[in-house]
Amino acid sequence: DGGITQSPKYLFRKEGQNVTLSCEQNLNHDAMYWYRQDPGQGLRLIYYSQIVNDFQKGDIAEGYSVSREKKESFPLTVTSAQKNPTAFYLCASSIAFGQGSNTGELFFGEGSRLTVL
Amino acid sequence: SQKIEQNSEALNIQEGKTATLTCNYTNYSPAYLQWYRQDPGRGPVFLLLIRENEKEKRKERLKVTFDTTLKQSLFHITASQPADSATYLCAPMTTDSWGKFQFGAGTQVVVTP
Repeated sequence: DGGITQSPKYLFRKEGQNVTLSCEQNLNHDAMYWYRQDPGQGLRLIYYSQIVNDFQKGDIAEGYSVSREKKESFPLTVTSAQKNPTAFYLCASSIAFGQGSNTGELFFGEGSRLTVL
Repeated sequence: SQKIEQNSEALNIQEGKTATLTCNYTNYSPAYLQWYRQDPGRGPVFLLLIRENEKEKRKERLKVTFDTTLKQSLFHITASQPADSATYLCAPMTTDSWGKFQFGAGTQVVVTP
């Protein structure tokens, strides 16, 4: 079945360590996104990519890095520079704007919960 | 700055009644507005999109309205069921900010039998 796969589902990190969250999609979508969700807060955009080898910072990019070497993959690295990384991370994808009539619907993965020990 | 407001208090409703959720936005003029459902520990799932030139959109027991004058969208779940219990998120979108989708914090709906 087509969809978005995030891994790992749960991740524990010691302070000072970098960790990488995986996001793979087989929906043939051009655009991919990373969001962070904290309790009682809306989803906040970290990075997004509308095409391979290109990505833009979202609202809270500091302390995070991404790459988009393949259409299917958009990994997120949480670096030691991120001061408060404990959160629920969501990856999403969509077709690019203007590609026919579309709703701009985002397809989300099941999320990765990162806890800093 | 752009702001999206959804009622942070949970909406407790009896099965069979209509649940009405509000999404207010300020400091921008979205051309579209999406609604998503999120279950605990899961990713959001798209429900509906309404465009600025559409006053109302329906999908099964769901109805969404979009009032660009009031800068507000209302989301209705009619004949609510316990399975409708979830958090509902709104996401107003402008065409020039495509890709930078912003979401409200969501309103939790609890439907009791």
